[in-house]
Amino acid sequence: AIQMTQSPSSLSAFVGDRVTITCRASQDIRSDLGWYQQKPGKAPKLLIYSASNLQSGVPSRFGGSGSGTHFTLTISSLQPEDFATYYCLQDYNYPYTFGQGTKLESK
Amino acid sequence: EVQLVESGGGLVQPGGSLRLSCTASGFTFSSYWMNWIRQAPGKGLEWVANINPDGSEQNYVDSVKGRFTVSRDNAKNSLFLQMNSLRAEDTAIYYCARSLIVVVPTGVTNFWGQGSLVSVSS
Repeated sequence: AIQMTQSPSSLSAFVGDRVTITCRASQDIRSDLGWYQQKPGKAPKLLIYSASNLQSGVPSRFGGSGSGTHFTLTISSLQPEDFATYYCLQDYNYPYTFGQGTKLESK
Repeated sequence: EVQLVESGGGLVQPGGSLRLSCTASGFTFSSYWMNWIRQAPGKGLEWVANINPDGSEQNYVDSVKGRFTVSRDNAKNSLFLQMNSLRAEDTAIYYCARSLIVVVPTGVTNFWGQGSLVSVSS
């Protein structure tokens, strides 16, 4: 199975900061990657698909980039509602696999 | 409005069985791949299984192969997960989720249910 490694595992930041989360795949997955945001007690919400495409309704401060084995999720100016846990997912081949998550907390 | 509602979770003893259901509305259910994704308490997300639009193809994570079966009834807009030989490590919230793109097998999902808690304990 393809291993997805996110870094950092946790991150503290201020409102207004620019934040970057990284996801690395154990093999080439082209651009078959999505990013999700999850808040406590809620189902995950899709932010980005195909590595860099913004899902409808998601604020433009969220952006994704990368291909192959290295991917990033960037939040250009952190808002209070962005404090949550973020996951990457590869759907290049089966079994689909998630990263272990990055918990974004308020500093 | 797209809605996915899971049911069937609960407490079961190790070695027991449980069947989860997910009832869909607000979209053409028979046109989409559907997924089951789980989350153990305090842990990350794990993709479990998916099924193609007509139910003829299923895929599973290795840890559930031979124990779990995903199926669907397009006439009733329903998705199922039959879970047998349950283990303590299967304890999790189970979500059903719709694939982003019609017909195409993608793990990227844009609609999720509220989740159904499965607890495996003696």
